[in-house]
Amino acid sequence: GDSVTQMEGPVTLSEEAFLTINCTYTATGYPSLFWYVQYPGEGLQLLLKATKADDKGSNKGFEATYRKETTSFHLEKGSVQVSDSAVYFCALSDSGNQFYFGTGTSLTVIP
Amino acid sequence: GAVVSQHPSWVICKSGTSVKIECRSLDFQATTMFWYRQFPKQSLMLMATSNEGSKATYEQGVEKDKFLINHASLTLSTLTVTSAHPEDSSFYICSALGGAKNGYTFGSGTRLTVV
Repeated sequence: GDSVTQMEGPVTLSEEAFLTINCTYTATGYPSLFWYVQYPGEGLQLLLKATKADDKGSNKGFEATYRKETTSFHLEKGSVQVSDSAVYFCALSDSGNQFYFGTGTSLTVIP
Repeated sequence: GAVVSQHPSWVICKSGTSVKIECRSLDFQATTMFWYRQFPKQSLMLMATSNEGSKATYEQGVEKDKFLINHASLTLSTLTVTSAHPEDSSFYICSALGGAKNGYTFGSGTRLTVV
């Protein structure tokens, strides 16, 4: 069945460091891929998405490229800020309303 | 933007008691709501899907008599964990379909601890 494997955390970085959170997926069809972010005390918010191979999703300085050949959707940001501290979830949706999530990666950015 | 309010954010209860978690869409009507749970170091897993005015559809392995879902209106869905046991301790989060661009909006989650 469909599944998402996400880099385990927690991840601690200094401000302005480069961030990569790895995400790979298994799917029988052609899923859409997502990154969600959960800030402390808040709900999951859609950060970015890509709906087909080679698409790049981007938002707030974060980027992820849908790589079908490597079944990956790694999240990157060139220079993290303290305000980026949150839990990040990779997810896929193959059709309809079914979402499959990764385990979440906690990111802490220190000044 | 679309907001989903989920309460309580955390709860501790004794074994054998029931706990109700509410999920309310504040500024839109949610045609469908989803309930997920996450055990430590595991993924968020879909438990059930509910449509307003009809019975919820449960995923395989989720006991419908234990996890009662009520979606009585387009703005409110509730999940009741009946006769809770320590193994039900988990993070529960709801998601509502609707609102701006007909997207998915998540609640902030509920951390349930059964002692």
